[in-house]
Amino acid sequence: KNEVEQSPQNLTAQEGEFITINCSYSVGISALHWLQQHPGGGIVSLFMLSSGKKKHGRLIATINIQEKHSSLHITASHPRDSAVYICAAKKGEWETSGSRLTFGEGTQLTVNP
Amino acid sequence: NAGVTQTPKFQVLKTGQSMTLQCAQDMNHEYMSWYRQDPGMGLRLIHYSVGAGITDQGEVPNGYNVSRSTTEDFPLRLLSAAPSQTSVYFCASSNWPPTSSYNSPLHFGNGTRLTVT
Repeated sequence: KNEVEQSPQNLTAQEGEFITINCSYSVGISALHWLQQHPGGGIVSLFMLSSGKKKHGRLIATINIQEKHSSLHITASHPRDSAVYICAAKKGEWETSGSRLTFGEGTQLTVNP
Repeated sequence: NAGVTQTPKFQVLKTGQSMTLQCAQDMNHEYMSWYRQDPGMGLRLIHYSVGAGITDQGEVPNGYNVSRSTTEDFPLRLLSAAPSQTSVYFCASSNWPPTSSYNSPLHFGNGTRLTVT
């Protein structure tokens, strides 16, 4: 069992739909990243959060440390949101374990017009 | 700012050959790291560095060497390429140590696609 698991693996939506991608982890973490990998392969950091919720434009990320779960929401989805979304968990305390991250396998999102 | 620059973008090697993947960043980031991405698996950390002269192993370090002589550069060396090292390699950097708000996003290069035959 992977330490970081994402669901679903693949997601197809119609333009305008509300999207939710889930990330569960089995180890104690100090922070969690959400990344976006474009069809061309480039990777962009969307959020890094250790508690609560963060919002940027149409993207919202939440984390529940007690339940070991994070979600990435996309409101009013658009075809340009089509990409692979990856969550990555930073295990342990920041100061003692450096910046080692454990990555989920990613969720392939396709938004159709 | 160019951000994180990786070269080359594509490379084909024969088994046993050696090569160096280059990574440079112009953001004065102390933390730099190398990952490999394989189908059906998440990104996996190969080596990382928290400053010039400091490197450490990640999850899959065998067959790879790194050095950090400057803040800007973090090259990854394949000592004797094997078909199992066929992968897409990403370099990433971030601030170190992190700020109190843990606001240290990773900045990725565009990747190097390596094929070993």
